[in-house]
Amino acid sequence: QKEVEQNSGPLSVPEGAIASLNCTYSDRGSQSFFWYRQYSGKSPELIMFIYSNGDKEDGRFTAQLNKASQYVSLLIRDSQPSDSATYLCAVNMASYGGSQGNLIFGKGTKLSVKP
Amino acid sequence: KAGVTQTPRYLIKTRGQQVTLSCSPISGHRSVSWYQQTPGQGLQFLFEYFSETQRNKGNFPGRFSGRQFSNSRSEMNVSTLELGDSALYLCASSPGRGSEAFFGQGTRLTVV
Repeated sequence: QKEVEQNSGPLSVPEGAIASLNCTYSDRGSQSFFWYRQYSGKSPELIMFIYSNGDKEDGRFTAQLNKASQYVSLLIRDSQPSDSATYLCAVNMASYGGSQGNLIFGKGTKLSVKP
Repeated sequence: KAGVTQTPRYLIKTRGQQVTLSCSPISGHRSVSWYQQTPGQGLQFLFEYFSETQRNKGNFPGRFSGRQFSNSRSEMNVSTLELGDSALYLCASSPGRGSEAFFGQGTRLTVV
């Protein structure tokens, strides 16, 4: 059973549009949620983290968390070609291995922003 | 503030050999985790260290091992290398357990 699920994409949006990336997770006790961006050949880069239900905004990025639905999303407003990358959702699952130290990653959604 | 440093960046090894990878976390960070990334499996958790103790381990064979030193630097070792061990190995440091993780540039291991 997969623990963090993401659509693999590719998700293609035109420049200037809103890109919506979604993620579901299996452990209802999960406490913290992270979005990473990974360019081809590079390591993941932290974009945002969210701990509480609701929205959290940082510049063009908004993370949304709904713990009841076990769902977290990332919105990218005014998408730019430089946003083209794979976006990884990561969850700290309180019950995984009985500890809270590591993150479980989805396989990522590939985003392509067309000029 | 310096980021997470991993050495070496690239390695080519032969089947059956062993390899040691090194990770220096961000100054002040005490939690270090290791991940293996392959195109088919994505990012898979290997181990987590905090205060020199392994706190959690992923579903990998015993050929994969690691340790953390008193200065929070960490190493991972893979013995008896197999072709399937070819991957990008990523180290991530965190200020505390379960908090945001910052990745190093990774070590690209190729087993031939």
